[in-house]
Amino acid sequence: GEDVEQSLFLSVREGDSSVINCTYTDSSSTYLYWYKQEPGAGLQLLTYIFSNMDMKQDQRLTVLLNKKDKHLSLRIADTQTGDSAIYFCAEKASGSARQLTFGSGTQLTVLP
Amino acid sequence: SAVISQKPSRDICQRGTSLTIQCQVDSQVTMMFWYRQQPGQSLTLIATANQGSEATYESGFVIDKFPISRPNLTFSTLTVSNLSPEDSSIYLCSVERLAGSGEQYFGPGTRLTVT
Repeated sequence: GEDVEQSLFLSVREGDSSVINCTYTDSSSTYLYWYKQEPGAGLQLLTYIFSNMDMKQDQRLTVLLNKKDKHLSLRIADTQTGDSAIYFCAEKASGSARQLTFGSGTQLTVLP
Repeated sequence: SAVISQKPSRDICQRGTSLTIQCQVDSQVTMMFWYRQQPGQSLTLIATANQGSEATYESGFVIDKFPISRPNLTFSTLTVSNLSPEDSSIYLCSVERLAGSGEQYFGPGTRLTVT
């Protein structure tokens, strides 16, 4: 079955760039996602990328997809304290399945 | 984007009782889902809520424990029945406005604590 893996923790200094990495196993993934979850809140869709793309940029966020290596990354430029949260990577398989398979989440801590 | 609301936002229930969670979307959507997030864990799909027919449940989840309704294209309910402390989780509604569009949004979640 599908599997999505992320490192559990990342700490960066305010103003630096953060890079959160994710690997997945399903080669038939159609979409890959990054969600942000702040304490006590639901999931906020940050960005998503179609599997035939290799990069997507949206303001401070850059998503890179290496389909050959099944590797997805999220770069946050000029990281701020408000970026501290858990970031979930997720993938959607092709076919009739509509579910998302989530990684375990990466806790990003932004240090002053 | 889609604006999704859930009621209640949180509840504390006694074991053996049931809780019904409502999910309301601000516009018609083709796909609605219910996910569970256990404490400190990632998200797991419970079921796909189908309009006008029975929900499609994932492995490990059954209709008797998690009955779901979806009377129209903007509303769904999830009931968690015969509660036990192991049901303490966040329950999240999720929608995909257009099937195959890739845009999938989540509601704010309902935090359930079972005592």
